[in-house]
Amino acid sequence: ELKVEQNPLFLSMQEGKNYTIYCNYSTTSDRLYWYRQDPGKSLESLFVLLSNGAVKQEGRLMASLDTKARLSTLHITAAVHDLSATYFCAVDSWETSGSRLTFGEGTQLTVNP
Amino acid sequence: DAGITQSPRHKVTETGTPVTLRCHQTENHRYMYWYRQDPGHGLRLIHYSYGVKDTDKGEVSDGYSVSRSKTEDFLLTLESATSSQTSVYFCATSTGITLQETQYFGPGTRLLVL
Repeated sequence: ELKVEQNPLFLSMQEGKNYTIYCNYSTTSDRLYWYRQDPGKSLESLFVLLSNGAVKQEGRLMASLDTKARLSTLHITAAVHDLSATYFCAVDSWETSGSRLTFGEGTQLTVNP
Repeated sequence: DAGITQSPRHKVTETGTPVTLRCHQTENHRYMYWYRQDPGHGLRLIHYSYGVKDTDKGEVSDGYSVSRSKTEDFLLTLESATSSQTSVYFCATSTGITLQETQYFGPGTRLLVL
């Protein structure tokens, strides 16, 4: 059974600071996703990471994937209040009938002025 | 957005009653998914569909059934609702055409079972 663990689960940080969210998973997978969810809203796709060493950046967020370590990171640079949200990683375990995502618990990020 | 709507958006029901949630998409995506979101669990896959009339179970399928009679609609049924099924339910879709593709999520349905 695939398990996905995120840490920290809660993160409070000041504007302008840097921080990293970690996503560990238990079985081999070459596809990992990061999503953002604002309170009471749906999930918005941030990144799709497809191979070992993949790195993607969008604004102040950068995601990377190390399939050998079964680890993905989401790095936040110079945080701003608008980044406050819950961030989920999800790992794909492909079946013959299609893609199946297993989600981490989520990291609730609060960026304080 | 992938043109995904869910109905109803909010529902309160009583234990033991049947409930059907509907997911409708306008993008002609092949794959459709139902997840539930609960505090401390992230999102968990209930059932998914890989084509019309083709469905498979996810990790928390007990107490739920699904049907997909046409590409655009994926129905989730709670045959006899229980309080443990109080949750937020999300539908998602994907084309499955490219490896780069993500799943697109609907707005969610909040279900309260009393």
